[in-house]
Amino acid sequence: QKEVEQDPGPLSVPEGAIVSLNCTYSNSAFQYFMWYRQYSRKGPELLMYTYSSGNKEDGRFTAQVDKSSKYISLFIRDSQPSDSATYLCAMNPGGSYIPTFGRGTSLIVHP
Amino acid sequence: EADIYQTPRYLVIGTGKKITLECSQTMGHDKMYWYQQDPGMELHLIHYSYGVNSTEKGDLSSESTVSRIRTEHFPLTLESARPSHTSQYLCANPPGGFSGRNSPLHFGNGTRLTVT
Repeated sequence: QKEVEQDPGPLSVPEGAIVSLNCTYSNSAFQYFMWYRQYSRKGPELLMYTYSSGNKEDGRFTAQVDKSSKYISLFIRDSQPSDSATYLCAMNPGGSYIPTFGRGTSLIVHP
Repeated sequence: EADIYQTPRYLVIGTGKKITLECSQTMGHDKMYWYQQDPGMELHLIHYSYGVNSTEKGDLSSESTVSRIRTEHFPLTLESARPSHTSQYLCANPPGGFSGRNSPLHFGNGTRLTVT
């Protein structure tokens, strides 16, 4: 079993929809959680960085962490075609310099 | 923002050639990382460095080597390229404002390598 599981998709939604992207993990030592967005032929770009359980909001993006269920989510409100990309989750155990990445979910927002 | 510069962006090369992928940064961070990414697959850490003259292998067995003679540069070398090395190679370091443990990473735009 991989430490971080992420459905590769693709997930196809209409413009304006609320998107929910998810990752599950098995290592209870993970404490720091990240979401990256990666456009085709580009490097991953950090979207959200959170510590501990709860919600963090930044514009149209909300990151949610549920440590008891070992489950994290990224919500995108009012999705736009420009949100079409691959979204990768990543997480660190406390005290580590090296995050563990999920394989990414491909999102397609069609007009 | 902590910028990472990778060159070349694209490289097509024949089997057996020696290649060096360049990575440089402007913020003077001690920590730098090399990842390999195949389409639709996870990022795999192949090398990392915690400072000048400090390099370590990552979790992916790799036939590449790295050096860290200067803080700004972290080149990746393949002594003899093979078709199995065809992949995207991404360099990273902590973004501005981060330096310690648990930092997120800031990535360059990668080098897409094709070995024929």
